[in-house]
Amino acid sequence: GNSVTQMEGPVTLSEEAFLTINCTYTATGYPSLFWYVQYPGEGLQLLLKATKADDKGSNKGFEATYRKETTSFHLEKGSVQVSDSAVYFCALFTTGANNLFFGTGTRLTVIP
Amino acid sequence: DVKVTQSSRYLVKRTGEKVFLECVQDMDHENMFWYRQDPGLGLRLIYFSYDVKMKEKGDIPEGYSVSREKKERFSLILESASTNQTSMYLCASRGTGRDTEAFFGQGTRLTVV
Repeated sequence: GNSVTQMEGPVTLSEEAFLTINCTYTATGYPSLFWYVQYPGEGLQLLLKATKADDKGSNKGFEATYRKETTSFHLEKGSVQVSDSAVYFCALFTTGANNLFFGTGTRLTVIP
Repeated sequence: DVKVTQSSRYLVKRTGEKVFLECVQDMDHENMFWYRQDPGLGLRLIYFSYDVKMKEKGDIPEGYSVSREKKERFSLILESASTNQTSMYLCASRGTGRDTEAFFGQGTRLTVV
């Protein structure tokens, strides 16, 4: 089946620290992979995506690389800011299911 | 600016009431989704629709139904609200294609008392 596993939170970091949020997946077929972010009081919005193996998605200083051999799509940022405090969701899409499958989300809090 | 609009941000209903949650998108998307979001459980798919009048059950359809009479509107119906349906409800829409982004509404926080 299709599923996404994310590292459990919450994660608390000091400003300018390095961030990694782990994400692994299982999928039938060849999935596209996404990271979504949810800021307090808002819906989800796309942060970045990758559609084939070894692709790197990037946006706002965040990066994630599609690793087919390890079925992973870990989110990284070199220097987090207070404004990055949010909940981050890893997701996959497969054409067979025509649906997005989400992980449970990881809450990040960045303290000054 | 593309938009998915949910009719209410906050809603309080009584047990046993019939509840309608409305969602409208302005992007001419074929696919629309209803999720509920609960702490520690992430997003769980209730129903989705890939065309007008078409619907598919998601992971947790029990106690819910949906309606899609027009392409831009997707309604979630709680036939008889119960306290365990207290949650955040998120609507999303998406075009076709494996790399297409899904767009989300701001969510409706429903409390059933």
